[in-house]
Parts: sequence; C-alpha cells; structure tokens
Amino acid sequence: EPEVTQTPSHQVTQMGQEVILRCVPISNHLYFYWYRQILGQKVEFLVSFYNNEISEKSEIFDDQFSVERPDGSNFTLKIRSTKLEDSAMYFCASTLRTGGNQPQHFGDGTRLSIL
Amino acid sequence: AQSVTQLDSQVPVFEEAPVELRCNYSSSVSVYLFWYVQYPNQGLQLLLKYLSGSTLVKGINGFEAEFNKSQTSFHLRKPSVHISDTAEYFCAVSETGTASKLTFGTGTRLQVTL
Repeated sequence: EPEVTQTPSHQVTQMGQEVILRCVPISNHLYFYWYRQILGQKVEFLVSFYNNEISEKSEIFDDQFSVERPDGSNFTLKIRSTKLEDSAMYFCASTLRTGGNQPQHFGDGTRLSIL
Repeated sequence: AQSVTQLDSQVPVFEEAPVELRCNYSSSVSVYLFWYVQYPNQGLQLLLKYLSGSTLVKGINGFEAEFNKSQTSFHLRKPSVHISDTAEYFCAVSETGTASKLTFGTGTRLQVTL
C-alpha cells in the first residue's frame, strides 16, 4: 500500500536555528497537511495545502512557519527561528481529494527536539 | 468549532477481554468521525470512519464503533483484545463539506496484558 514518508525521523536543532521537515505524500494525492503532537498532548492541526496555496491554517501556524511544495513529490514545513516550545512530533498527511470525509494518510512523523 | 473528549487517558485490560474506548464530541455543524491508532514510534493509522448511513461501523483488526447522535458519542469497541492491540487510540472529527482538517481528542492508551 502506498505510504506517506517523512524525513528525518529525528531532528535535533539549537534554539533560533531554522529547520526544514520533509514529507513525500502519496503520489496521486493532491491535498497535504501538517499536524504536530507535543509530548503527552493531543495531535493538533497546523496547516492544509492544495494547488500550491495554503487552504487553511491554525493559530499555531504563525509567521515562523511556512510550507512549500518545491517539486512534484516533496512537501516541506519550515520553522524559521525555532523555539523550545516547537519541540514536538510533526506529522505529514495527504488525501486524494478534499472534503471532511476523506481519510487522511499519515507518515510516521519527525521528532523535533530543540535544545 | 469542534472538540473531542476522550474521557479515559489509560485503559488497562487483560488479553481476550472486551474493551470500550469512549469518545464524545461537540460541534455546531455535522461532522464525520474517525478512530486512528498509533503504535509506538509510528504514525497514525485509520481504524474506521463514520460518514453516513448505518451507525455501526466496522474497521480493521476487529474493531467497531457506534455513532450515537443524541449522545454525541462514537465509542470504539472490540469483543476480545490481543496483546498486539496495545497502542494509543485517537478519536477525531472533521466537518462535513469541503473543510477537511481533523480535530483530535487527547488519546486513550490501551494496555493489554496477559
């Protein structure tokens, strides 16, 4: 079965540094999402993306965050100047179509540790 | 806006015993409902979903859930659990219509022991 893949599995970064998390969605999927899960807390929506534009973003997704689809296969999340509270597991997801009824396919996540 | 409440943070159960993981939601609009499972160091895997129709939905690994609109609940059940069912279980909702973000509950840790 096709999978969403995320790299790296673990990223350690100094506070204030920029970090880019990478995702390869399922190849024929058109809608992409980022979520994060702070240790011990719920999974939270960050942003959705379609047709090279942000469709929706949460309050968490401030000016420090950006997303990009630099080519036909990758989908990236950039955090410009990391803070300690950015430490979390970040999940990428994709769907074939839009709509709340579409099951989202998740990657295994990138654990981001800010020192 | 929607919210999801999973009342039990942990549920210990013996192997081959039945289990129910509770989920309640709140929303001002109609929603779709999902259960996801997260095994250690892995991503979220869809167990089952309720979109419309029959309120009893069956998923993978022998799990099922029942949608109760009047009680705004979507409890997950399995008649006989296995050690391999030990994982974190998340209930989630999304709005009907074009919006598609998922709103998750805080998760329930199912711990199955011999």
